[in-house]
This record gives sequence, C-alpha cells and structure tokens, in this order.
Amino acid sequence: ETGVTQSPTHLIKTRGQQVTLRCSSQSGHNTVSWYQQALGQGPQFIFQYYREEENGRGNFPPRFSGLQFPNYSSELNVNALELDDSALYLCASSWDLNTEAFFGQGTRLTVV
Amino acid sequence: EDQVTQSPEALRLQEGESSSLNCSYTVSGLRGLFWYRQDPGKGPEFLFTLYSAGEEKEKERLKATLTKKESFLHITAPKPEDSATYLCAVRGYNNDMRFGAGTRLTVKP
Repeated sequence: ETGVTQSPTHLIKTRGQQVTLRCSSQSGHNTVSWYQQALGQGPQFIFQYYREEENGRGNFPPRFSGLQFPNYSSELNVNALELDDSALYLCASSWDLNTEAFFGQGTRLTVV
Repeated sequence: EDQVTQSPEALRLQEGESSSLNCSYTVSGLRGLFWYRQDPGKGPEFLFTLYSAGEEKEKERLKATLTKKESFLHITAPKPEDSATYLCAVRGYNNDMRFGAGTRLTVKP
C-alpha cells in the first residue's frame, strides 16, 4: 500500500467531453505529479505540483490542467477529449522534489 | 533532452536463471535514477533510488547498480512471482521523471 489513492478506477467518456480525475496523496507529501501511460509504453510526465504551485510540465497541450490542494489531494482536468487521450492516468506523490515517488493504482480512461 | 532506453524489451527466464536488465540514460544533472516494478493494470511499485555512480542497492533477489551512463537491475535466482514489467526512470534538473518503455520479464516455473 502506497497511501496514494485515485478515483475513479475506470471511466468512459465521449470525444469532446471534459473529465476530472482525482488523487489523494500520502499525508505529508508536498509533491504530486501526473503521468499518462499508453499500452506497452512507460509513463509520460504531464506535470508536477509542489506546495500547490505548478513546478514542471511535460509536452502536453494546455487542455491538460491540474490543481493541488492543501489537504494533499489533487486533480487532473482534461478538456476537449480526443481518442488518443485513452490511457492509464497515474498520480504519484513524494516528500519533496528529489525523493522517490509513490504511485496510485491509476485511472483507466477510455474515450469513444 | 533527457532520454532513457531500456533493454531488452522482453526477457523470458526459467525459474532460477539469473540475468540483468539494462537502463541507459542521458540526463542534464542527475537528481536520481529510479527502478519500479509494474504488474498489468496497476500503478508502478517503487523498488530503488540511486543517486551517484558506484552506488548499489539490494532487496531480496534484486540488486540495482549505477554508472555515469547506465544502470543495471540484476535478478538472482528469479521466481515466477518476479514476472512483471520493470521500469527505469531518471530525474534531472528540470524536475520531471523521464521513464523508459520498460522490460517485460516472464519467469517460467
């Protein structure tokens, strides 16, 4: 058990819709990051938050946005969903910027 | 740009047959190299962090080593329950964690 939980576990959305995925980090972890993992690939970095401020961003368009809250929860929002957004979305939290990250079980998003 | 390449893509071993997985990397200012294990449909499970060349970490049948250009995950006398995808990732000065595509390990009884 990593202490990182994600909801929902599975989700089906229609192209063009918007989605919000949620993550509850381990208590005390100041850093949360989000990843997209396509089938057979390694996770791809979307963005990272440190103490509620965005601290780094990968090669994802602005329709991917996020928030981190003081209670160690965070969310990933994706607007104008495309078929290629279908993937496993992973949340990971860590004590600070240099330590190992602990992952949740992921949210499987299917866009039809 | 930071890059991580893992080899082989897939590895099939007989139970008890030791082997090594490779992770080659280029990164601007290494702030950590991480090994994870991932079972199908689940999130990655943390195994090791290595910070500097020459460092080694061990856990049960697994041993991770680090040089300036690559890391190895050595698996000694593997068991079927070691079957999983093993992921390597690096963190550089830009703070993001860059993952390789993984090595899919199958251990046959």
